[in-house]
Amino acid sequence: EAGVTQSPTHLIKTRGQQVTLRCSPISGHTSVYWYQQALGLGLQFLLWYDEGEERNRGNFPPRFSGRQFPNYSSELNVNALELEDSALYLCASSSSRLAGGNEQFFGPGTRLTVL
Amino acid sequence: GENVEQHPSTLSVQEGDSAVIKCTYSDSASNYFPWYKQELGKRPQLIIDIRSNVGEKKDQRIAVTLNKTAKHFSLHITETQPEDSAVYFCAAPYSGNTPLVFGKGTRLSVIA
Repeated sequence: EAGVTQSPTHLIKTRGQQVTLRCSPISGHTSVYWYQQALGLGLQFLLWYDEGEERNRGNFPPRFSGRQFPNYSSELNVNALELEDSALYLCASSSSRLAGGNEQFFGPGTRLTVL
Repeated sequence: GENVEQHPSTLSVQEGDSAVIKCTYSDSASNYFPWYKQELGKRPQLIIDIRSNVGEKKDQRIAVTLNKTAKHFSLHITETQPEDSAVYFCAAPYSGNTPLVFGKGTRLSVIA
């Protein structure tokens, strides 16, 4: 069974640009979560999607947004990039959190560098 | 909302000794408590979890204990090995079916 996949693996952007990160969950999982992990820091919750809808978002500005597609894959968009957006962006999936699904499986992450 | 505090932030132990990492949570309705291990340059991986109806769970050299009254849970690693060196994260959900809140992590170093 394939695990959670993310693309691209690495990305370099300049301040003010926009970026789109992609995530494919494990087959059968409907919940997708996005986390930001800055160097040496913990996992900061960004967004949660379940069954195509945004269910919760963390304490991040509106320039962080995303969506979930009918096949449950997801995109994270970041507009007007700032230097402090440089981080590892992790996607995780689980069976439906709304139905009590708990165990989250993480993808390998996308390393974003903003210059 | 949920607040998860994790201690210590760094921990060094001699190979073969035990390591204990403790987390406290604030929301008494939290019902699921996982522990993740993240090796350098790799993704976090679930190593053990416990639900609120259980006080202790063991899996070979690792165990997790939960004290619902005191609202804390701990990870215990016995007979530590160099490959146990990693960052460990605890987590708890906001109440009910909500996303996980992660602790800030503990960097464990096992010295051979």
